[in-house]
Amino acid sequence: DSGVTQTPKHLITATGQRVTLRCSPRSGDLSVYWYQQSLDQGLQFLIQYYNGEERAKGNILERFSAQQFPDLHSELNLSSLELGDSALYFCASSVDGASYNEQFFGPGTRLTVL
Amino acid sequence: GENVEQHPSTLSVQEGDSAVIKCTYSDSASNYFPWYKQELGKRPQLIIDIRSNVGEKKDQRIAVTLNKTAKHFSLHITETQPEDSAVYFCASNYGGSQGNLIFGKGTKLSVKP
Repeated sequence: DSGVTQTPKHLITATGQRVTLRCSPRSGDLSVYWYQQSLDQGLQFLIQYYNGEERAKGNILERFSAQQFPDLHSELNLSSLELGDSALYFCASSVDGASYNEQFFGPGTRLTVL
Repeated sequence: GENVEQHPSTLSVQEGDSAVIKCTYSDSASNYFPWYKQELGKRPQLIIDIRSNVGEKKDQRIAVTLNKTAKHFSLHITETQPEDSAVYFCASNYGGSQGNLIFGKGTKLSVKP
C-alpha cells in the first residue's frame, strides 16, 4: 500500500458524459500527478499540482481539467467523454515538486466509456 | 517534445538468466532516470533510479547504467525469478529537476520457470 488513495476503483459511463476522479496523496506529500495508462501508450503524464497550484502540464486534453484543494486532495474532471478516453487513470504523489523525488502511485481508477 | 524510447517491448527469459532493457532520451536537461515495475493489475512501483552524476547503480539483483553522452540508460536484472515477471517502465525527467517524468512505453518481461 503506497498511502495514495483513489476513488472510485471502477467507473462505467456513456459517451458525452462527465466524470470526476478523486485522489488523496500520501500524508505529508505536497505534489500530485495524474497519468493516463492505455494499452498501447504506457503511462502518459497529464498534469501536476504542487501545494494547490498547477506546476506542469503534459498531454492533457482541453476536455480534461484538474485541481488540488487546500487539504491537498486532487480531482481530475473528464468531460464530453469519448470511447478513446477509456483507460486506467493513476494518481501519484511526491513529497515536493522536484522531479527527482520518488512518485508513489495510487491503485488507479479504471474508466470505461461505452 | 520529449520522447523516451524503450526496447524491447516484450522479453522472455528462462529463470536464472539475465534480462536487459534499454531506453534512450532526447532532453539534455534530463538528470534523473527512474525505473518502475508494474505487476499485473497493480500500481507502478519504483525499483531503482539513477541521477546524472552517477554512471551505474546496483541494488542486489538489479542494476542501472547511464551513458549521458549517448543519452542511453539500461536496466539489468540478473538471476531472474518468476516474480520478476511484470511490465517495466523507464522514465526521464523532461526539463530537469523542475520538470516532469516522461515514461517509456514499457517492457513486458516474462520469466519462465
